[in-house]
Amino acid sequence: GENVEQHPSTLSVQEGDSAVIKCTYSDSASNYFPWYKQELGKRPQLIIDIRSNVGEKKDQRIAVTLNKTAKHFSLHITETQPEDSAVYFCAAVQGAGNMLTFGGGTRLMVKP
Amino acid sequence: EAQVTQNPRYLITVTGKKLTVTCSQNMNHEYMSWYRQDPGLGLRQIYYSMNVEVTDKGDVPEGYKVSRKEKRNFPLILESPSPNQTSLYFCASRERNSPLHFGNGTRLTVT
Repeated sequence: GENVEQHPSTLSVQEGDSAVIKCTYSDSASNYFPWYKQELGKRPQLIIDIRSNVGEKKDQRIAVTLNKTAKHFSLHITETQPEDSAVYFCAAVQGAGNMLTFGGGTRLMVKP
Repeated sequence: EAQVTQNPRYLITVTGKKLTVTCSQNMNHEYMSWYRQDPGLGLRQIYYSMNVEVTDKGDVPEGYKVSRKEKRNFPLILESPSPNQTSLYFCASRERNSPLHFGNGTRLTVT
């Protein structure tokens, strides 16, 4: 089955700096890659996603890049703010069985 | 409003007393799943369902049961809860190649 690894597990940045979270996946048939943000005690919520026919997608301060050859994708947050502090999960969806596999999560702390 | 509704939000029970956590979605999604989340750990899948009457084990199915008699409902059943099932539980649903929609979570404590 699919295996998704996410790094780092914790990330601390200064307000205004950029943050980058990286994920690798094992199944070359995976074709959809969502990212979720989970604030303390709340449900994960989708913040951005990318499909395998696209190399990059941006939404204001958030961007995701995908390298299908290397089987990795990354979340980039620019000009971080304290409200960006949360746990972020990447995921990969396999094409054939349409199974979704989560990475282990990254706790992002933005210091004011 | 499109949503996944799970109940109850909080549940405290005792070892061995059967309980059910309900989950309902109003988006006509085929795929539904249950996850548990423990402190410091990520989301671990318990069971999932690709359609009515089709269910499969996830990564941590021991001690849990599910059923999918209707498309909108996917209850999680703990026949004999134990303290190691104390956790935060999320129900979720989606369409193929689309993002998961999560419920608000159920915080279960088993004493």
